[in-house]
Order: sequence, then C-alpha cells, then structure tokens
Amino acid sequence: DQQVKQNSPSLSVQEGRISILNCDYTNSMFDYFLWYKKYPAEGPTFLISISSIKDKNEDGRFTVFLNKSAKHLSLHIVPSQPGDSAVYFCAASLSGGGADGLTFGKGTHLIIQP
Amino acid sequence: DAGITQSPRHKVTETGTPVTLRCHQTENHRYMYWYRQDPGHGLRLIHYSYGVKDTDKGEVSDGYSVSRSKTEDFLLTLESATSSQTSVYFCATRDRVTDTQYFGPGTRLTVL
Repeated sequence: DQQVKQNSPSLSVQEGRISILNCDYTNSMFDYFLWYKKYPAEGPTFLISISSIKDKNEDGRFTVFLNKSAKHLSLHIVPSQPGDSAVYFCAASLSGGGADGLTFGKGTHLIIQP
Repeated sequence: DAGITQSPRHKVTETGTPVTLRCHQTENHRYMYWYRQDPGHGLRLIHYSYGVKDTDKGEVSDGYSVSRSKTEDFLLTLESATSSQTSVYFCATRDRVTDTQYFGPGTRLTVL
C-alpha cells in the first residue's frame, strides 16, 4: 500500500515557465514533508520542506504548498531552468521529525525544454 | 550536505556471497539510515540507527543486517546476497535541528 504517491512519472516544461510537481499521501499521521532532487548517479539532495502546521513554504525559486484536507502537496519552481532537469522525490515523515525514517514517492522526472 | 561518504561506490558480486557496505559521516549526527532505490519504487527504508549499537528495522529489512559501533560509521551487511538485492543503496543522516535527512552518493550493487 503506497502511502506517498507521485502520479506523474514525468513532466516536460519549457524553460522560464512554472513547473508544478504534485504529491498525494494517504496517512493522516504524516506531519512533515520534504522534497528532494536527484541527478543520475548522485544521492538525493534536499530542496525544501514543510511542516503540517503550515500551508506554504518558500525558498527562492521553490515553493511548497500543503493542503491537509486533500492530503496533497505540490512543489512550484519559478522560473524553471535547465539545471532543474532531474528526478524529484516527495517524502513524508511521522511525528518525531522523521526519526524512524522517511516514506518516499516513486519520483517525477522533470525535463526542462529549451 | 552532511559529509557522508559511502564505500564501495560500485560492487559486482555473486549470489550467495556476503557483502558489506559502509557509510561514514563527519557531522556527528545521531541518526543514520540505509535505503535502497529500485525502478518503480522510489527509496525504501531498510534499517536505521538512533545511536551507537541502537538499530531498528525498516520497511524492507529481510536479508539485511546492520551494525553501528561508532557514531560515524553505519554498516549494511547482506549475509548471502541474492539477485533481488541488486539495487542502488543510499545512506542518510538526520539533522535533529532541522529534521532533515541528508544523503550520501550511493553504492550500486549488482548481484549476479
């Protein structure tokens, strides 16, 4: 039973436009959410996170939105740049700040077209 | 990131042989994790450690054991490797201040 779902395996966006990556979760006990970016042959790199007590967190070109009632979060990248082409993973943790590990989605491959 | 190194970075082995992967961190983080990444599955937790000699199982722990004798080192052992354990293995540590996990570069393991 997949508790964190990224239903779009891939997404293609034109350079300069907004990229929106979506993530849904089923476990209402998740209270902290993170986005990671991964290039081939490298480890995942932390991008941005959000606590369940917030509905938005912004860091430069990256903004994460959380809709708890819908159990949905999204990552917005504005403007999209060629270096943003990577696989993006959504992850969630239970109370305790993820001490007992993260639950990941399967990832979305973002392709930025010139 | 959290100064995490993994060794070896690549390994090819045969079914039935024991394999040990090493994770080393320089940030003095208490929590450490082992994940595996497979096509169509994202990252899945194998085992984690919440201190020296303190470990617990994750979602996919069968066939794996871990040990943590020092804060900086977390070892993952496949006692008798199987082809289903062909995967990319990632180690992570957790920063308790920010509740963020940071990942190492990964080890690609192939079991023939």
